[in-house]
Amino acid sequence: SYVLTQPPSVSVAPGKTARITCGGNNIGSKSVHWYQQKPGQAPVLVIYYDSDRPSGIPERFSGSNSGNTATLTISRVEAGDEADYYCQVWDSTSDHVVFGGGTKLTVL
Amino acid sequence: QITLKESGPTLVKPTQTLTLTCTFSGFSLSTSGVGVGWIRQPPGKALEWLALIYWNDDKRYSPSLKSRLTITKDTSKNQVVLTMTNMDPVDTATYYCSHRVSGWNCFDYWGQGTLVTVSS
Repeated sequence: SYVLTQPPSVSVAPGKTARITCGGNNIGSKSVHWYQQKPGQAPVLVIYYDSDRPSGIPERFSGSNSGNTATLTISRVEAGDEADYYCQVWDSTSDHVVFGGGTKLTVL
Repeated sequence: QITLKESGPTLVKPTQTLTLTCTFSGFSLSTSGVGVGWIRQPPGKALEWLALIYWNDDKRYSPSLKSRLTITKDTSKNQVVLTMTNMDPVDTATYYCSHRVSGWNCFDYWGQGTLVTVSS
């Protein structure tokens, strides 16, 4: 089955740019979606279709996808961005949803 | 405004069957493109997708859990029901239902989640 690989943790100073990667075999051929999850809360969709933002999501959140890596980029990081982030794709070969293992973003 | 809410038992015994209900508002599961999914999250662990049902009653299941899962919808009640058989302590998790983004198999609205503990 299709596997998505995320780094367990990423740290960034406030005001800087955080990049969270999601690796998968030829992931560039798939549409990647990203969720933010804060402790005790349900996940929130922050990016869909590689780089589109749902309404209400700040422009500081952006996404890209090419080759074997998709990336969620958070610009001008704020303390409130500290959360777990999950990538997700639809594996069309087996018709199911796949989540990455999640990345904990720490704002220093 | 789209809302979803999960309901069901908070404690089940090993080998029992879990039945969870997702009651939603703000959309109809009879509308083309609409879907509802179930995702779970064991304490301190990652999200795990379980099942997805579409407006046309098409259904998809996690390959690793397919033999234990059944997802159904009741359009008139605005509900989706997930059953999971032969529960085990490793199935202890928060279970979420969610609204599928039309045209994309991702989820833009989520319920608050319900914690299900499997223990004798």
